[in-house]
Amino acid sequence: DTEVTQTPKHLVMGMTNKKSLKCEQHMGHRAMYWYKQKAKKPPELMFVYSYEKLSINESVPSRFSPECPNSSLLNLHLHALQPEDSALYLCASSLLAGPYNEQFFGPGTRLTVL
Amino acid sequence: SQQGEEDPQALSIQEGENATMNCSYKTSINNLQWYRQNSGRGLVHLILIRSNEREKHSGRLRVTLDTSKKSSSLLITASRAADTASYFCATESGYSTLTFGKGTMLLVSP
Repeated sequence: DTEVTQTPKHLVMGMTNKKSLKCEQHMGHRAMYWYKQKAKKPPELMFVYSYEKLSINESVPSRFSPECPNSSLLNLHLHALQPEDSALYLCASSLLAGPYNEQFFGPGTRLTVL
Repeated sequence: SQQGEEDPQALSIQEGENATMNCSYKTSINNLQWYRQNSGRGLVHLILIRSNEREKHSGRLRVTLDTSKKSSSLLITASRAADTASYFCATESGYSTLTFGKGTMLLVSP
C-alpha cells in the first residue's frame, strides 16, 4: 500500500459546526503533515507530526486542532471556522521527518465554510 | 513564508514540444523538489535535487540547480496532453519543512 487516503473528499460546514478530517497511511511512515491550499495558491504547511508527537505548528489558529492517535492516522479537528478557512486541506506523510525525505500526498479534502 | 517563485505563471504548448519552467528562491537550501498537481488534487513528487547536485534526470524530466543564482529549472521533453497540470517547486531547508513556490500552470494541447 503506497498511498495516503483522506476522508471526506468534500465537506461543507457552518461556522458553528464541529467536524474532523481524517488521513491514513499504511506505508510505515513516522512523519505526517497537514497543509492548507487556497485556490490558485501553493500549499502552506500547517502542522508536522513526528513519531505521533506534534513537532511543528506554523502558528495555526486554535480553531484547527490536530491529533495523531497512532502512527497510521492523522486527524484535523475543526471548530468555529470562518469562511476564509475554505480551502483544500492536504495530508502528507514521509518515512521520517528530516531533510531528504520524500513526502507522499493524499488527494485532499475540499472544505467549504458557509 | 514563501520561498520559491516560478515563472512563467502559465505555459501553453502543443504535444511533442518541450516545456521549461523556472524557479527562484531566496535562502540557502538542503534540496529542491518539484511536484505536479492535477486539477487541485493531491501533489505528486517528481524529482529531488540536492544542493550539491547541478543536474538530474528522471525519464522525460530534467532538473537543473544553480545555487549561486538560487534558481532551478524543470524541463519536460516531448510533452503529452497528460502532462497538463500545475507544477510547483518546493525548497527544503532545515528540519524538513517544504516551502512551495506559486506554481506554473502547464497546458499541453493535442
